[in-house]
Amino acid sequence: AQKITQTQPGMFVQEKEAVTLDCTYDTSDPSYGLFWYKQPSSGEMIFLIYQGSYDQQNATEGRYSLNFQKARKSANLVISASQLGDSAMYFCAMREGPDSNYQLIWGAGTKLIIKP
Amino acid sequence: EPEVTQTPSHQVTQMGQEVILRCVPISNHLYFYWYRQILGQKVEFLVSFYNNEISEKSEIFDDQFSVERPDGSNFTLKIRSTKLEDSAMYFCASREPGLAGGLRGNEQFFGPGTRLTVL
Repeated sequence: AQKITQTQPGMFVQEKEAVTLDCTYDTSDPSYGLFWYKQPSSGEMIFLIYQGSYDQQNATEGRYSLNFQKARKSANLVISASQLGDSAMYFCAMREGPDSNYQLIWGAGTKLIIKP
Repeated sequence: EPEVTQTPSHQVTQMGQEVILRCVPISNHLYFYWYRQILGQKVEFLVSFYNNEISEKSEIFDDQFSVERPDGSNFTLKIRSTKLEDSAMYFCASREPGLAGGLRGNEQFFGPGTRLTVL
């Protein structure tokens, strides 16, 4: 069975510093994809970034980038120049099932708090 | 920008009562999902729905749960006889047709959630 592990339950980071949130995964499927979502205190799930297993380059989306190390089965989220508004829960999720209709399996999340 | 909406935002019910959680997916999306998140725990997949039928369901999605798309816009989750352990945030999500892939993985768009409290 597929599995997602986020080993950091919580992190404190100084504003303007970069932060790396860890995610490791386990799958035997050669085709997979990894998503990162942000959940602020208001509760909604906000898509941040996606990495497909066959993508040649690490994904980037504004201040977010994904440090994808396929051999190590890790897909860490890097947030550059952190802002107070980045304080939230961050979830790593993997798609499971066929590409045409996948469901997401989720890690336990990391609570990130940005200090002014 | 189009978004997934959910109603109500918070539902309080007595154990054993039926509840219906409502979702309006994004209009051109064809795949629909329900997830739940028990307070302080990870998000769990419940069910996926496509072409007016369930395509996948988890072991959580037992006979007490059902989903329906009663018209062209709404997507509902019904819990027939609620239990204390059904208390959670329930998220609806929808996705465009097509394969996962591309820059955004054909991502699922999530609604704001319904917080269900069973007393």
